[in-house]
Amino acid sequence: EAQVTQNPRYLITVTGKKLTVTCSQNMNHEYMSWYRQDPGLGLRQIYYSMNVEVTDKGDVPEGYKVSRKEKRNFPLILESPSPNQTSLYFCASSLLSRGNLNEKLFFGSGTQLSVL
Amino acid sequence: LAKTTQPISMDSYEGQEVNITCSHNNIATNDYITWYQQFPSQGPRFIIQGYKTKVTNEVASLFIPADRKSSTLSLPRVSLSDTAVYYCLVGENNNDMRFGAGTRLTVKP
Repeated sequence: EAQVTQNPRYLITVTGKKLTVTCSQNMNHEYMSWYRQDPGLGLRQIYYSMNVEVTDKGDVPEGYKVSRKEKRNFPLILESPSPNQTSLYFCASSLLSRGNLNEKLFFGSGTQLSVL
Repeated sequence: LAKTTQPISMDSYEGQEVNITCSHNNIATNDYITWYQQFPSQGPRFIIQGYKTKVTNEVASLFIPADRKSSTLSLPRVSLSDTAVYYCLVGENNNDMRFGAGTRLTVKP
């Protein structure tokens, strides 16, 4: 089954304790992206990757890191989490846009992170 | 980046047709219009995408007037399970598109 898998589904941690949220897709998609969703703010893009070893900042990258060593995996790293990073996180992937074709995003089920 | 404006919330009843309009006055020539649906505690799901005129699939229809400054998502005969948040996005590719607050549709029995 084609899917984007995020782990863990729920995570409670304390300020300053490094954590990684994993994201994996099995559709051979070039494009992957991380979003955070906060009440009333919709989804905001954190980082995105157009392909292996190519990553770029989105709208809210501060406090986050990503890596894209393999095509299928795109982990989100919080080196020193703070309470303002408490949020619902989504990973997404798509084929790369080619010309006028705009490829649809496939989203994971989300990771609810609480930083105490 | 083309900004979109859509109603914050809408109510409907089962069996009715629902039309959600999105305004995007500064849409660019190469921009597409895409709609996503999101249920609570789930990731958004692609519904439909279009460039101009009308697009229809098994879930919805998308109407886009000639000036492309707005678009209307039409959901025929909604059911309780269509209660969700609907997002209108405009952009040339996934990096251009931005999720706003969306429209919270509530379908009542």
